[in-house]
Amino acid sequence: DGGITQSPKYLFRKEGQNVTLSCEQNLNHDAMYWYRQDPGQGLRLIYYSQIVNDFQKGDIAEGYSVSREKKESFPLTVTSAQKNPTAFYLCASSSDRAYYGYTFGSGTRLTVV
Amino acid sequence: AQSVTQPDIHITVSEGASLELRCNYSYGATPYLFWYVQSPGQGLQLLLKYFSGDTLVQGIKGFEAEFKRSQSSFNLRKPSVHWSDAAEYFCAVGANGGFKTIFGAGTRLFVKA
Repeated sequence: DGGITQSPKYLFRKEGQNVTLSCEQNLNHDAMYWYRQDPGQGLRLIYYSQIVNDFQKGDIAEGYSVSREKKESFPLTVTSAQKNPTAFYLCASSSDRAYYGYTFGSGTRLTVV
Repeated sequence: AQSVTQPDIHITVSEGASLELRCNYSYGATPYLFWYVQSPGQGLQLLLKYFSGDTLVQGIKGFEAEFKRSQSSFNLRKPSVHWSDAAEYFCAVGANGGFKTIFGAGTRLFVKA
């Protein structure tokens, strides 16, 4: 079945470390997205990519970085510059007709210890 | 700037009762509008979408929503709630052709027997 795979499901990071969250899709979707979810705040857009080798900052890009070298993959790196990285991270994808809506992965919960 | 307001943080309804979740948006042009549902610790699933045409849209799981331009609203309804509908519901508006979707803070639905 087609879908989005996020790994790992749970991730623990020590302060000062960079970590990379994986997102892979086999839906042949052109666009991919990263959102951060905190209790009571809904989802906030970190980065999005409409095509390979191109991506745009969202509303809260500081302290994060991404790459889009392959259509299927859109990894997110949480750097040590991100001051409050503990959150639930969701990856999504859409066709080039993004107004049809997104398909989401099941998320990665990142905790700083 | 685009924004989405979900006035109710949580709602409790009895099983079999009707449901209406409120959503108001702010957007300069004709919006792309969505409702998503999220079970605890999971990703989001698209319930329904509006981008043109009939202002009453049908979705999955027996949900419907009505776009009212004069009120800047897109309320979600279901005539009879089932215990399995207990989850968090997010309203969203899509800007930039849907490539930049902004989410509300969510409404958590509790269903009592």
